[in-house]
Amino acid sequence: DVQMTQSPSNLAASPGESVSINCKASKSISKYLAWYQQKPGKANKLLIYSGSTLQSGTPSRFSGSGSGTDFTLTIRNLEPEDFGLYYCQQHNEYPFTFGSGTKLEIK
Amino acid sequence: QVQLKESGPGLVQPSQTLSLTCTVAGFSLTSYNVHWVRQPPGKGLEWMGVIWNTGGTRYNSALKSRLSISKDTSKSQVFLKMNSLQTEDTATYYCARAIRSRAIEGVMDAWGQGASVTVSS
Repeated sequence: DVQMTQSPSNLAASPGESVSINCKASKSISKYLAWYQQKPGKANKLLIYSGSTLQSGTPSRFSGSGSGTDFTLTIRNLEPEDFGLYYCQQHNEYPFTFGSGTKLEIK
Repeated sequence: QVQLKESGPGLVQPSQTLSLTCTVAGFSLTSYNVHWVRQPPGKGLEWMGVIWNTGGTRYNSALKSRLSISKDTSKSQVFLKMNSLQTEDTATYYCARAIRSRAIEGVMDAWGQGASVTVSS
């Protein structure tokens, strides 16, 4: 199985700042990486897939980059609603696997 | 409006079988694949398996011997059954719709709120 290593585990930032979350695959997954946001009481939300394709409805302040084994989710000009948990997931091969998550908190 | 809703028992005894139902609305199970993902308390997400629009299935090998996914297209329902439950199966279980694409698999664009399942005697 492809192991996904996500960093950092925790991140604190202020509204208006920019942050980056990293995800590293144990082997090449080409461009096939997705990012999800998880918030209490809400359904998980798909943000980006295939590395850099924004899902419909995802604000343009979100961007994804990378290929092969190293990927990054960048959020520019943080808004209050951006705080929560973020997970990466490889969708290159079965079984699909997720990173361990990054908790983005308000500083 | 696309909706998925999981339902099932909140408590299951060890060694028993878990049965969950995912009722969907706003799309047809003949056109979309549906995945099951679970999340133990305070931990990350684990992909469990998928039922394709064709009715075929694929399971995580770690669970394959215990897991079965099926569906009733006419009722817009997907079913998960997992036997021989242990305490480590305590988790929130999610069903999720996959984006419709011939080129891409495993990207989940709509999720249910999740069903919390506790395995305990």
